[in-house]
Amino acid sequence: KQEVTQIPAALSVPEGENLVLNCSFTDSAIYNLQWFRQDPGKGLTSLLLIQSSQREQTSGRLNASLDKSSGRSTLYIAASQPGDSATYLCAVTLFKAAGNKLTFGGGTRVLVKP
Amino acid sequence: DGGITQSPKYLFRKEGQNVTLSCEQNLNHDAMYWYRQDPGQGLRLIYYSQIVNDFQKGDIAEGYSVSREKKESFPLTVTSAQKNPTAFYLCASSFQGANYGYTFGSGTRLTVV
Repeated sequence: KQEVTQIPAALSVPEGENLVLNCSFTDSAIYNLQWFRQDPGKGLTSLLLIQSSQREQTSGRLNASLDKSSGRSTLYIAASQPGDSATYLCAVTLFKAAGNKLTFGGGTRVLVKP
Repeated sequence: DGGITQSPKYLFRKEGQNVTLSCEQNLNHDAMYWYRQDPGQGLRLIYYSQIVNDFQKGDIAEGYSVSREKKESFPLTVTSAQKNPTAFYLCASSFQGANYGYTFGSGTRLTVV
C-alpha cells in the first residue's frame, strides 16, 4: 500500500528565508505527484504537478523536484513571505490506482514570521 | 471562470438525519471525487466517479452514498449510518488520465448537533 509522508509536520521560519518542504513515498510506480496549499478552513489550491517523466517543475518562487528512484519530492519556496503561511500537502497517483486516485501526505504546516 | 462549487459552506446535522452535500463543476472534467478531512488524519477518499452513472467506493465509503446523473454534478449524502460525520468534506475533479492534476472545491464543514 502506498504511503506518503511529510516531515516535518510543522515549520516556522523568519520572513525572507527559503522554505524546503519534504515529501516521501513508498511505491515509486507513480504517474505524477502534486503539491497543494491549504489555508485554514479552505479547500486545496494546486501549486505544481510533476509527471513521472519529469525531474522538476517551476512556477514563480516555487520549485518542486521529483526523484522517483528514492521516493522523494521537495518543494522549495524562495524568499518566503508571511502570505506563504499555510499547510502544504503532497499527493501521488499510482500507476495501478483505479480512477487516478490521489494518496495524500499528512501535510506540513508553515508559519512565516514577519 | 471555471471551477468547482461546493454548497453549503457550513452544515449542521441532527442525530439520525440524512444530509446532502452539493458539488458542481463547470470544467468539463470527467472524474469527480469526495474526500473527508479530519484533524491529524489527512484526506481520505470516500467515493469517486469516472463517468456518468458510474461510481466506485473509496477507502471509507460506509455511511455515505453518491450519485452521478450529470457530468457536472456529484452530490454526497451522509446517512444516519455514518456514526462520526463531523468533518470537513472536499470535492475534487480532474480529466481522465494521469497527466492532469486535481481541482478542489472550497469545502463543506459538517457538524453534528
